[in-house]
Amino acid sequence: ETGVTQTPRHLVMGMTNKKSLKCEQHLGHNAMYWYKQSAKKPLELMFVYSLEERVENNSVPSRFSPECPNSSHLFLHLHTLQPEDSALYLCASSQDRAGGGVNEQYFGPGTRLTVT
Amino acid sequence: LAKTTQPISMDSYEGQEVNITCSHNNIATNDYITWYQQFPSQGPRFIIQGYKTKVTNEVASLFIPADRKSSTLSLPRVSLSDTAVYYCLVASYGGATNKLIFGTGTLLAVQP
Repeated sequence: ETGVTQTPRHLVMGMTNKKSLKCEQHLGHNAMYWYKQSAKKPLELMFVYSLEERVENNSVPSRFSPECPNSSHLFLHLHTLQPEDSALYLCASSQDRAGGGVNEQYFGPGTRLTVT
Repeated sequence: LAKTTQPISMDSYEGQEVNITCSHNNIATNDYITWYQQFPSQGPRFIIQGYKTKVTNEVASLFIPADRKSSTLSLPRVSLSDTAVYYCLVASYGGATNKLIFGTGTLLAVQP
């Protein structure tokens, strides 16, 4: 247990569906992240939130919509996805993202998404 | 942006020391080097982090030469449970930009 939970663990959705991924951290951290991990590809940073404010969006298609209602919860809303969006979606948190040095990230177990 | 290059895979036997090297030629002054371990169907787990020279903790050592263009993760006396993918991350924080670039990872297979 890393203190970061993700639900659901597995999700199968059609291209016309709308679904949401949920992430919750119990570590008192101020920064949260969404990553995408496709087969045989490096982890790709999608979004970064710091103190509930989005500070980074790595040119992610608009069919992915993040939401951070508070520092403990992070959502990824999905709509009209494509089959190539099938991947493992990982949530992470860290104490902070600012300042010198790098804060250790704690990752959740991920949501395995399959788009049919 | 600092891009990282790692070997795709490595093989080892139980009890051996394993060294995995990561190249990051374009590392910036503010970048730190962090290594993560990932098992199948799990998120990555922090192993060790450094800026320069040598860092050691209870599970690994990290060697960083003076030019910081590469780093080597050293795992002493590996066991079967060390079979995993190891990622080298070169990350810089500062201002409004946050660039976290993971490498392709190295699949370490430990055999009995």
